[in-house]
Amino acid sequence: QLQLQESGPGLVKPSETLSLTCTVSGGSISSSSYYWGWIRQPPGKGLEWIGSIYYSGSTYYNPSLKSRVTISVDTSKNQFSLKLSSVTAADTAVYYCARLHPSMVRGATIDYWGQGTLVTVSS
Amino acid sequence: DIQMTQSPSTLSASVGDRVTITCRASQSISSWLAWYQQKPGKAPKLLIYKASSLESGVPSRFSGSGSGTEFTLTISSLQPDDFATYYCQQYNSYSLTWTFGQGTKVEIK
Repeated sequence: QLQLQESGPGLVKPSETLSLTCTVSGGSISSSSYYWGWIRQPPGKGLEWIGSIYYSGSTYYNPSLKSRVTISVDTSKNQFSLKLSSVTAADTAVYYCARLHPSMVRGATIDYWGQGTLVTVSS
Repeated sequence: DIQMTQSPSTLSASVGDRVTITCRASQSISSWLAWYQQKPGKAPKLLIYKASSLESGVPSRFSGSGSGTEFTLTISSLQPDDFATYYCQQYNSYSLTWTFGQGTKVEIK
């Protein structure tokens, strides 16, 4: 069974860079069928896709966050990572890593999620 | 960018009620539409894929319909376990970007 686990600091200071890593177990991050992504949810609010990466390193970002986001992949460790720069209180959220599966058979689904990790931006 | 407008934002209903949630896309997305259920403190759970296909293990009281720009999620007879927040999600196959609706919270009336 595929599992995803987020890790990283739960508290980040304003103007600094938020860094999270997602470790994938029970399956290979190098599968050609899937993308790997980050989704966040501010407290009491809705879901926001941050960006996605393919195992080859191709990246796709939410236009509203693109200037501050970097997603990278380390296939040797079966991990992918998120960096969000110049954070403010508005970036306080639960951050989920997930497997994204676009296909002609099943449409486009997010079929596996990490448990989520709360990151608070505060001095 | 394709915008998703989900309505209503909150819905009050009773056990046994038929419930319908709507999601509208700012341009045609064919059938690149999925629905998720989220309970407090948990990650979202996939209910419907490709607009109208029921995910394995999801009760048959859930159904999805629509294509193009207008989509609906229907719960035929609301059960106590169904009180949750529901999100639609679209995928832009040209820009490879993903967008969620704003969510609909289904509350006990």
